[in-house]
Amino acid sequence: ETGVTQTPRHLVMGMTNKKSLKCEQHLGHNAMYWYKQSAKKPLELMFVYSLEERVENNSVPSRFSPECPNSSHLFLHLHTLQPEDSALYLCASSQDVAGGAVGQTQYFGPGTRLLVL
Amino acid sequence: GENVEQHPSTLSVQEGDSAVIKCTYSDSASNYFPWYKQELGKRPQLIIDIRSNVGEKKDQRIAVTLNKTAKHFSLHITETQPEDSAVYFCAASTQAGTALIFGKGTTLSVSS
Repeated sequence: ETGVTQTPRHLVMGMTNKKSLKCEQHLGHNAMYWYKQSAKKPLELMFVYSLEERVENNSVPSRFSPECPNSSHLFLHLHTLQPEDSALYLCASSQDVAGGAVGQTQYFGPGTRLLVL
Repeated sequence: GENVEQHPSTLSVQEGDSAVIKCTYSDSASNYFPWYKQELGKRPQLIIDIRSNVGEKKDQRIAVTLNKTAKHFSLHITETQPEDSAVYFCAASTQAGTALIFGKGTTLSVSS
C-alpha cells in the first residue's frame, strides 16, 4: 500500500490558481503514469514517463503540465483549470513500460481528489 | 489506437453465485491483459493478469480466459462473497507496449 504515494490527497482550487500534484514511488520502477478518473470516463491515461522521458501524451490540454525530475518522482502542474477537470488523479508506476513477464504490471497510488470551483 | 470495451457496466449476484465480466479489444498487437479491482474510495489493485501466449489463468476463485482470435478476454469469479463487491476494470496494452488502455469498469454487487 505504501509503494506509491501521492500528495495532497484532496485539493480544492479556483480556476485561476496554480497547484501541483506530487507522486513518489518507492518500488525502484522505471516508468510512471498519470491517469484521470471521473464518473464519465474512468481511468483515462494522461501521460507516460519512462526513465524520466515522456513517451506518451494522450492529447491532454496544456493546462496540465507533467514533470518527471527522476524515476522516483512525478509531478502534475495545474493552471487555469476548468470545473470539468474535477476528478480523481491517479499516479501509477511499473518496472518498465514494455516487455518482460513483470514489466507492465502497474501499481497505483491512492490518488488526489481534485475539485475545481 | 487501442480501444477496450467492457460489459456489463453493472452486475448484481447472490453470494455464492459466479460472476463473469467480458472485455473486447481492437489492437491485435496487444499482448498483456490485466484486471484491476477498485473498492470504494481506494486505489485500483491488480487481481490477475494474462499474457497473449496463454489462454487461461486461474488463481483460487478468480480466473481469466483469453481468445486472441476473437480479441476478447473474460474475468470469472466463482463462489462470490460480499467482499468481492467493487468496480472491476479490464485493460489491454498498447501496440507500443508503453501503456494500458482501460475499459469503463463493471460495478459488481454481491448480496448475502
